[in-house]
Amino acid sequence: NAGVTQTPKFQVLKTGQSMTLQCAQDMNHEYMSWYRQDPGMGLRLIHYSVGAGITDQGEVPNGYNVSRSTTEDFPLRLLSAAPSQTSVYFCASSYSPWPGQGLGESLFPDTQYFGPGTRLTVL
Amino acid sequence: SQQGEEDPQALSIQEGENATMNCSYKTSINNLQWYRQNSGRGLVHLILIRSNEREKHSGRLRVTLDTSKKSSSLLITASRAADTASYFCATGNTGGFKTIFGAGTRLFVKA
Repeated sequence: NAGVTQTPKFQVLKTGQSMTLQCAQDMNHEYMSWYRQDPGMGLRLIHYSVGAGITDQGEVPNGYNVSRSTTEDFPLRLLSAAPSQTSVYFCASSYSPWPGQGLGESLFPDTQYFGPGTRLTVL
Repeated sequence: SQQGEEDPQALSIQEGENATMNCSYKTSINNLQWYRQNSGRGLVHLILIRSNEREKHSGRLRVTLDTSKKSSSLLITASRAADTASYFCATGNTGGFKTIFGAGTRLFVKA
């Protein structure tokens, strides 16, 4: 298994440009999420998905769109890049999003598997 | 706002010493997870402890959870230079689908 893959690894944009960060996983995980990490800080949740066709907002969703047409892919779109979106972006996936799965106890959120990240600079 | 807050923000120790990091959180949780991040890399899952557990071990790692105090600790015993990394706690809120990360503890182990 390749695990969670992200492309590109590095990207430089000009203010106002749009782009899509790609994320794919081959572990048949239902739950996928996008985080951004700014220097010296933890990860902040942008958007997440509990399955194909289902997405929801995280802590910092403004300026980003997501869609989930397949279980494997969860792209993140920057609509009009701004310097404040300069960050490292991580995609993650997890097996069990639904409470109650497995032995009658809630497993969510389960272990998340992270991609290597995309370093984005917006000039 | 971030759910988990780690303490200390940075920790520097000698190889062979034990390292203890603490995490506090604000709301009821389903479970709490600890992750490690090496410089410039993605996060790697270390250990998950459920809200009905009090202590868990994995190799040189020991995690405790005190839900009455809304806090957790990660102990790394006999630290090695390779343990140098940032360590993050993450919590899953009861009834929710969001995993919220703290700002992390930077651990530096001197050889």
